Amino acid sequence: SAVISQKPSRDICQRGTSLTIQCQVDSQVTMMFWYRQQPGQSLTLIATANQGSEATYESGFVIDKFPISRPNLTFSTLTVSNMSPEDSSIYLCSVGDGAKNIQYFGAGTRLSVL
Amino acid sequence: AQSVTQPDIHITVSEGASLELRCNYSYGATPYLFWYVQSPGQGLQLLLKYFSGDTLVQGIKGFEAEFKRSQSSFNLRKPSVHWSDAAEYFCAVGVRGGYQKVTFGTGTKLQVIP
Repeated sequence: SAVISQKPSRDICQRGTSLTIQCQVDSQVTMMFWYRQQPGQSLTLIATANQGSEATYESGFVIDKFPISRPNLTFSTLTVSNMSPEDSSIYLCSVGDGAKNIQYFGAGTRLSVL
Repeated sequence: AQSVTQPDIHITVSEGASLELRCNYSYGATPYLFWYVQSPGQGLQLLLKYFSGDTLVQGIKGFEAEFKRSQSSFNLRKPSVHWSDAAEYFCAVGVRGGYQKVTFGTGTKLQVIP
């Protein structure tokens, strides 16, 4: 299975600032995904990031708020822009394994916005 | 669109007792079904999955799940719970041909008492 590293593991940020979350995988993968898990809620897919193309955003999520980069097959970043307290969540990166039809998840980034 | 319902938000069991976590899904065809576990401060770990074939699937850590098409259910079971099983459990459904589009349930938090 893929080993996924996310940085930072947690952060406390001020309202109006931006935070960039990094996701590093130990093998080349085509598909990477970014999820949000709000307190007491389930996971919600933010976007799918394929290398070499623009990220595909789910309904309710926009590129200006959550810009994503995917410069190569082992790395992606998610930026949470102009943060408000409502952005306080766990943000998780996952990668797709097409051969096994499953996703592997990173440990997540716990974000608190004051 | 697919959906997942986990009726139990919180369950408490005694160590050594049996466990069953409920999951009901809604999807027009035979779905991909998953159970993930999220330990405190950790990401999601795949416990087991069902795509086709034998409707009783075995997973890691002694867990099993049974797919019942007539009941649209995919309940997770363990015959004897260990204190280390305390975590949050998520059922998820994916569409056929696309593990990418996975919808998660709201999760069931398991507490294990001595």
